[in-house]
Amino acid sequence: NAGVTQTPKFQVLKTGQSMTLQCAQDMNHEYMSWYRQDPGMGLRLIHYSVGAGITDQGEVPNGYNVSRSTTEDFPLRLLSAAPSQTSVYFCASSYSRGGFGEAFFGQGTRLTVV
Amino acid sequence: AQKVTQAQTEISVVEKEDVTLDCVYETRDTTYYLFWYKQPPSGELVFLIRRNSFDEQNEISGRYSWNFQKSTSSFNFTITASQVVDSAVYFCALSDSTDDKIIFGKGTRLHILP
Repeated sequence: NAGVTQTPKFQVLKTGQSMTLQCAQDMNHEYMSWYRQDPGMGLRLIHYSVGAGITDQGEVPNGYNVSRSTTEDFPLRLLSAAPSQTSVYFCASSYSRGGFGEAFFGQGTRLTVV
Repeated sequence: AQKVTQAQTEISVVEKEDVTLDCVYETRDTTYYLFWYKQPPSGELVFLIRRNSFDEQNEISGRYSWNFQKSTSSFNFTITASQVVDSAVYFCALSDSTDDKIIFGKGTRLHILP
């Protein structure tokens, strides 16, 4: 099993560019989420989804879009990158909603916006 | 609203000492889940434990133990006879039944000195 796969692992963007961080899981999990990790801030929830076609905002959703057209994929889109979005991004999936199942995390994407 | 506080930003202990990582949570819900995750220097996030609000029994797994006390809203994590490999950032997290979010604390960076 591949688990949760994030691509790319590293990315450098110029301010104003757009990009999509990919996240795919092969565990048939309903719940998927995106976090960003910044020094001293821990993991902050950006967006999450409880199933295909359903998404909701987390703690820091501004500047990010998501969609969930399939159970397996949950891409995170940055429409116009800003230096404040420099961070490490983690995608996670869980077999059930919220705390009913442990979250499995991808390896992370280190994004730098210059 | 949910909140997780890990007051200890950074801790250093000498190998073989015991160390306790504190976690205090806030929720208005009576049904909730608490988690601990480990992030070693390699960067991945590793699930350690999940505990629901109805189970206040302490948990022991090898050198790791967890003390859940609803009266003080705490879910502390103790490593006994610490080892250098325990050096990592440790995150406490909370999910309640209000919504499906899993909210993390800011983490505690643990250094085990040889």
